[in-house]
Amino acid sequence: GAVVSQHPSRVICKSGTSVKIECRSLDFQATTMFWYRQFPKKSLMLMATSNEGSKATYEQGVEKDKFLINHASLTLSTLTVTSAHPEDSSFYICSAWGGLAGGPSSTDTQYFGPGTRLTVL
Amino acid sequence: GEDVEQSLFLSVREGDSSVINCTYTDSSSTYLYWYKQEPGAGLQLLTYIFSNMDMKQDQRLTVLLNKKDKHLSLRIADTQTGDSAIYFCAEAWNTDKLIFGTGTRLQVFP
Repeated sequence: GAVVSQHPSRVICKSGTSVKIECRSLDFQATTMFWYRQFPKKSLMLMATSNEGSKATYEQGVEKDKFLINHASLTLSTLTVTSAHPEDSSFYICSAWGGLAGGPSSTDTQYFGPGTRLTVL
Repeated sequence: GEDVEQSLFLSVREGDSSVINCTYTDSSSTYLYWYKQEPGAGLQLLTYIFSNMDMKQDQRLTVLLNKKDKHLSLRIADTQTGDSAIYFCAEAWNTDKLIFGTGTRLQVFP
């Protein structure tokens, strides 16, 4: 099955520093990846859609200069939280669109990474 | 608007059936999904249903869709303690963008 990994799984950083989170599709190519944020005991909120080779599309209310997304290859997307603050502490989950058929089809779906817990002190 | 709502908690006895409900507002949704999230982990796709279907069964899981009422449910037969988790429904509209429900925390007790 399709596997998506994230690294690191957990990170603690000081306020004002930047943190990079990687999302990789391990056994399939993903032209589209997504970044979600989950607050404690809350649902997932889509932050942005990451398309390989082009600029990410951010959801309303998400600061693109604060959450930098780079999708440089078909298997890797990165999310960089710049100048992190305690309110950025959250669980960040990525997903990749893909599947056996490749491209949008009835068998394709989003495959989710295990998530990265960010704690900003 | 795009709102997907679920009840927050459900508690069932081991061996009983669990029914998790979801209501959505976007009638043009094409695909509806159920995901499971265990503590500290990512999301696991359990099952999905196309909007032109009323029901889908997959082993212990049964999904019912009432398009008229925009109501989706997930029934877990013979619920086990390992089923304890948060369950999210999600809708998608001809794109890959998912809108998630608020999540239902299922607790299974012996």
